[in-house]
Amino acid sequence: DAKTTQPNSMESNEEEPVHLPCNHSTISGTDYIHWYRQLPSQGPEYVIHGLTSNVNNRMASLAIAEDRKSSTLILHRATLRDAAVYYCILMRAGANSKLTFGKGITLSVRP
Amino acid sequence: EAGVAQSPRYKIIEKRQSVAFWCNPISGHATLYWYQQILGQGPKLLIQFQNNGVVDDSQLPKDRFSAERLKGVDSTLKIQPAKLEDSAVYLCASSFGQGTNTEAFFGQGTRLTVV
Repeated sequence: DAKTTQPNSMESNEEEPVHLPCNHSTISGTDYIHWYRQLPSQGPEYVIHGLTSNVNNRMASLAIAEDRKSSTLILHRATLRDAAVYYCILMRAGANSKLTFGKGITLSVRP
Repeated sequence: EAGVAQSPRYKIIEKRQSVAFWCNPISGHATLYWYQQILGQGPKLLIQFQNNGVVDDSQLPKDRFSAERLKGVDSTLKIQPAKLEDSAVYLCASSFGQGTNTEAFFGQGTRLTVV
């Protein structure tokens, strides 16, 4: 399975935008890019996913590089509640597609 | 819409004892996952069901862990006998389909401490 690389941690200020990077240089054409986040003492929750085009939803935006070797999760206005571990995951299409988590990036939000 | 329900929330057992966790997925979700999350690490997939059939159990330590999904709905995960290194949060998740275009919903997990 293709791997993703994320920084260990990032800090941001409340009410400012946050850009969380993810590298996936060995991505294949059928790999979807998924983002999940995990708040303290909670199970992971879905944030967003995409294949080739940039995606927006009520939680965040996903910007995918043209060569698909990297992507960026964008939180438009960080709140204290956004402090969490964010996981960038590649999910390969097929009968055995599965959600494989790495270490993720820990986002801290300063008031 | 009710979420994924797991019980118990916490469990403390002695090593070599057995323990079982229960998961009730979201109604209508065909795919069910069990994950193990050790402190400071990302969740590790133990087993994935599609309805009541196993899709992937390659990382399940089958000498001590077992899981079943009766009638394609509820699922139980059992550890027998438990070891100290089994101390972790056990997460259950479900999704409507199995494909890459679906999102998975997670329960709050069961925190197991083996002493």
